[in-house]
Amino acid sequence: KAGVTQTPRYLIKTRGQQVTLSCSPISGHRSVSWYQQTPGQGLQFLFEYFSETQRNKGNFPGRFSGRQFSNSRSEMNVSTLELGDSALYLCASSLPSSTDTQYFGPGTRLTVL
Amino acid sequence: QKEVEQNSGPLSVPEGAIASLNCTYSDRGSQSFFWYRQYSGKSPELIMFIYSNGDKEDGRFTAQLNKASQYVSLLIRDSQPSDSATYLCAARGAMNTGFQKLVFGTGTRLLVSP
Repeated sequence: KAGVTQTPRYLIKTRGQQVTLSCSPISGHRSVSWYQQTPGQGLQFLFEYFSETQRNKGNFPGRFSGRQFSNSRSEMNVSTLELGDSALYLCASSLPSSTDTQYFGPGTRLTVL
Repeated sequence: QKEVEQNSGPLSVPEGAIASLNCTYSDRGSQSFFWYRQYSGKSPELIMFIYSNGDKEDGRFTAQLNKASQYVSLLIRDSQPSDSATYLCAARGAMNTGFQKLVFGTGTRLLVSP
């Protein structure tokens, strides 16, 4: 079974631009969560989607948004990029049950110049 | 206070020794706990999860959970140089809350020397 895929793997943007990252979950997984990982803050929860609905959101500004499509694929968008948004963005998928394990994709490395 | 705390390390152990990684959590409502391994430049990969008090063994790995003390640990027996990585502890809330948010510690870096 194919794992979680994320595209693109690397991105370089400049301040003020916006970016869209994509995540395709493991087949059959309907829950997708997004995390930001930086050396200083570690892994921080961004949001979680299930059945095209955002079920939970972390403490990030409104510049960070996401959505999920009917095929469970998810996108996240960051508008008006800031230098501090440089990070590894990780997507994780799981089955619908809250007891199920999350499996991470390879991540998208975003660099904001 | 951080919700999940880990010693950042590095924890250095010789090859063949037992590595003991520890984690404490502040939310008594946390119900399930996960250990992920992350190699430099890679994404986290699941090692083990544990829901019940006590020990859970899987090969060279043993997870231990003590909910009364709000403490989770991971033991790695017969440590190998390939085990050198950062180990992330994560906690998740009550199973009936219906969402998947994991709260991660900042990780412990393990170095296994040949």
